[in-house]
This record gives sequence, C-alpha cells and structure tokens, in this order.
Amino acid sequence: GEDVEQSLFLSVREGDSSVINCTYTDSSSTYLYWYKQEPGAGLQLLTYIFSNMDMKQDQRLTVLLNKKDKHLSLRIADTQTGDSAIYFCAEALMNTGFQKLVFGTGTRLLVSP
Amino acid sequence: DVKVTQSSRYLVKRTGEKVFLECVQDMDHENMFWYRQDPGLGLRLIYFSYDVKMKEKGDIPEGYSVSREKKERFSLILESASTNQTSMYLCASSGDRETLRGEQYFGPGTRLTVT
Repeated sequence: GEDVEQSLFLSVREGDSSVINCTYTDSSSTYLYWYKQEPGAGLQLLTYIFSNMDMKQDQRLTVLLNKKDKHLSLRIADTQTGDSAIYFCAEALMNTGFQKLVFGTGTRLLVSP
Repeated sequence: DVKVTQSSRYLVKRTGEKVFLECVQDMDHENMFWYRQDPGLGLRLIYFSYDVKMKEKGDIPEGYSVSREKKERFSLILESASTNQTSMYLCASSGDRETLRGEQYFGPGTRLTVT
C-alpha cells in the first residue's frame, strides 16, 4: 500500500539540531526524497537517498534510512531561522510502468531565535 | 537550473466557472504532474502526463481534466469550479521516465479560491 506518514509540527531553538521523521509502508520504494517548502513557494528538492543506502550526509543535512522499519529521518544540524519551512518526505514507486512520487503530509518546522 | 512556471500565483473564481491553470517547464522534461496541496493532507496527485497528448489519472482526478498539446506546457482545467476545489495547485516536471531516480521539480504554485 501507499501511505507516508509524518508528524505535523516540530519546534526547535536556533542552533539546536532538528530531526524530522517519516514512515512509509511500501517496501518496493527505490528512492526516497526530502523536499522543503518555504512560505508561499513550491517544493524544492533538498536531498534524496537510494533504498540500498543507510545514510547520506550533505553539509548540515543527514538522512538516515532504516529499511527494516521503513523509517526515514532528516537531521538538520545547527538549525537556523531560515530553515523554518514545511518538510515533505516522498517515496518513488513504479506504478504500471510509470514512476510516481507519494508524499507525506509534511512537517512544519518552526525555528525560534 | 530547471525552471517550472505557473501562470498565476493567486486566482479567485466563482462557483461554476471554467478555470484554466497553466504550467510551463524549460528543461525538455517528458513527465509533467499536477498536484493539489491541502493542510494535513500533503500533496495529492490529480493527473500526470508522460508525453505530448498523453495523460494519466492520478489519485483524485474527479472534477478535473488536463491538456498537453506541447511538450513544455501542461494545463489543468476545472470544468465547473466548486468551493471544495479551493486549494493550492502545484505543477511539477521530471526527466526520462525510464530512470528510477525521477525527482520532480516544482513550480511556485497557484492558490485558487472558489467563492
């Protein structure tokens, strides 16, 4: 089945680490993505991880994938006020020959000074 | 850089009107998508297209239709707008459908209000 779940809100203080979690149900997912949506804007691809990897690091971002538990997380180190946004995880599924992305509900991250 | 543009950022229409939302991408992508975004529901796929004049229903196609006459342009049509179609509409595109790593690139969105 296709179902991607995220908590709706996360609040942190500037300088702390943020961890945004995501669970998915389809074990056939190939790639998993994290997108960021700033207020009034579209979605911007932040990073992705292939399903045979456990971890990917990209500057302040660390993605962890636990395939056994179907759990994906995004850690943002030294969180800044500019990181305040909605973060979506998404899984890539092949559906009748076409790839589609299934998105989570989004987690609104609020960073306070 | 991939650029996806949408014809309007904000749109207000009356119930029963026919509404056209336009999307243009400049990266020669084969695939184009229309989503709607509602609080607490994330993004839901309305329609997608993998080639000119081709279209496929997504998860919530009812009340919508699409048109793709040129590769770079994908239009979403609300035949008779209703208040429950008030939402943020997001267009996206992606490259070769054969690749599994098909990340999508999004436009800025159109916030549609139907009164």
